[in-house]
Amino acid sequence: KAGVTQTPRYLIKTRGQQVTLSCSPISGHRSVSWYQQTPGQGLQFLFEYFSETQRNKGNFPGRFSGRQFSNSRSEMNVSTLELGDSALYLCASSFTLRRPDADQPQHFGDGTRLSIL
Amino acid sequence: AQSVTQLGSHVSVSEGALVLLRCNYSSSVPPYLFWYVQYPNQGLQLLLKYTSAATLVKGINGFEAEFKKSETSFHLTKPSAHMSDAAEYFCAVSPGGTALIFGKGTTLSVSS
Repeated sequence: KAGVTQTPRYLIKTRGQQVTLSCSPISGHRSVSWYQQTPGQGLQFLFEYFSETQRNKGNFPGRFSGRQFSNSRSEMNVSTLELGDSALYLCASSFTLRRPDADQPQHFGDGTRLSIL
Repeated sequence: AQSVTQLGSHVSVSEGALVLLRCNYSSSVPPYLFWYVQYPNQGLQLLLKYTSAATLVKGINGFEAEFKKSETSFHLTKPSAHMSDAAEYFCAVSPGGTALIFGKGTTLSVSS
């Protein structure tokens, strides 16, 4: 069974540009969550999608947005990139919106490392 | 609001020594707590979780954690460290849904 796939793995952009990151969840999983990981702020929750609807959102500016398609694949977009957006962006998928546990584990992808020059 | 605090950003042990990584939580309701491990250039892997079924939780790779309500702690331990345990470890709490609130992480170094 394929795991969570994030593309691309690495990305270099310049300030002011926009970027789109992609996440393909494990087959059958309908929930996708996104996290930003930086050395200074650690792992921070961005948003959560289920059945093409955003169900929860973290404390990030409106430049960060996302969407989910009918096949559960998700994309996140960051507009007007800033140097501080340099981070590892992680995607996680699970079967439902329930808290992750042994019966409904949440699986993480290997992330997209975004560097802003 | 729920939160977790990991004490010690870096822990160093010798191979074969006890591993102890500390995590304290803050929650007004019974928490769902997790420990994750992250190897370089990889995502997060679930080590174990506490969901109120048992206070001593056994996870993968020989790790276990004990939930202590009186101390609001959920420390991660392993009796004997291996070189392959060197990684970054994160404690997390689930406030609901699939969102997780993570601690700042603890880097574990293992020397031979």
